[in-house]
Amino acid sequence: EAQVTQNPRYLITVTGKKLTVTCSQNMNHEYMSWYRQDPGLGLRQIYYSMNVEVTDKGDVPEGYKVSRKEKRNFPLILESPSPNQTSLYFCATGGLGNQPQHFGDGTRLSIL
Amino acid sequence: QQPVQSPQAVILREGEDAVINCSSSKALYSVHWYRQKHGEAPVFLMILLKGGEQKGHDKISASFNEKKQQSSLYLTASQLSYSGTYFCGTLRRPGSSNTGKLIFGQGTTLQVKP
Repeated sequence: EAQVTQNPRYLITVTGKKLTVTCSQNMNHEYMSWYRQDPGLGLRQIYYSMNVEVTDKGDVPEGYKVSRKEKRNFPLILESPSPNQTSLYFCATGGLGNQPQHFGDGTRLSIL
Repeated sequence: QQPVQSPQAVILREGEDAVINCSSSKALYSVHWYRQKHGEAPVFLMILLKGGEQKGHDKISASFNEKKQQSSLYLTASQLSYSGTYFCGTLRRPGSSNTGKLIFGQGTTLQVKP
């Protein structure tokens, strides 16, 4: 079964405390993305990766880092989280050419 | 760069039809459509790759006008299960800048009432 697994699903933390949201896929997709979703703003791309060791900024990359050391994993890192990064985050795989994009279940982050 | 969807919200009665539009200011390679139920992840509906292409899925269909850089999603004889937020996503043409980005519109909220 095709799966995109994000962890954690929910996290409440404090400003400045580094955190990582993990994302793993079993579809052997080269293309992976991170999005944040805020009311009225839709899905905004944070970073994407075309393949292992190939990452690039999306539309809202400030305050985030990513890495792609293996094809299946694409973690999102918040080195020093701030309250304006409180949001719902989705990892996704696929989406290039005629490939549908598959989303993880989402991670709801609250930064106090 | 974000495609613009219209309307922002629509309320229907069961059995009524709706059209959701997606417009881009940039030349497009493809258009994706997704539906998101409250509290869930977006789910893929369809992709349109070629200008003039039309696709259908049950009573939901879409068209892609490459020249106008627009796509429309048609929901016919709506059902309660159609309620949710619909997003279009656009990919730029290969060779242009930002071709790796799948950029989503702000979403259209559809509510179907009995």
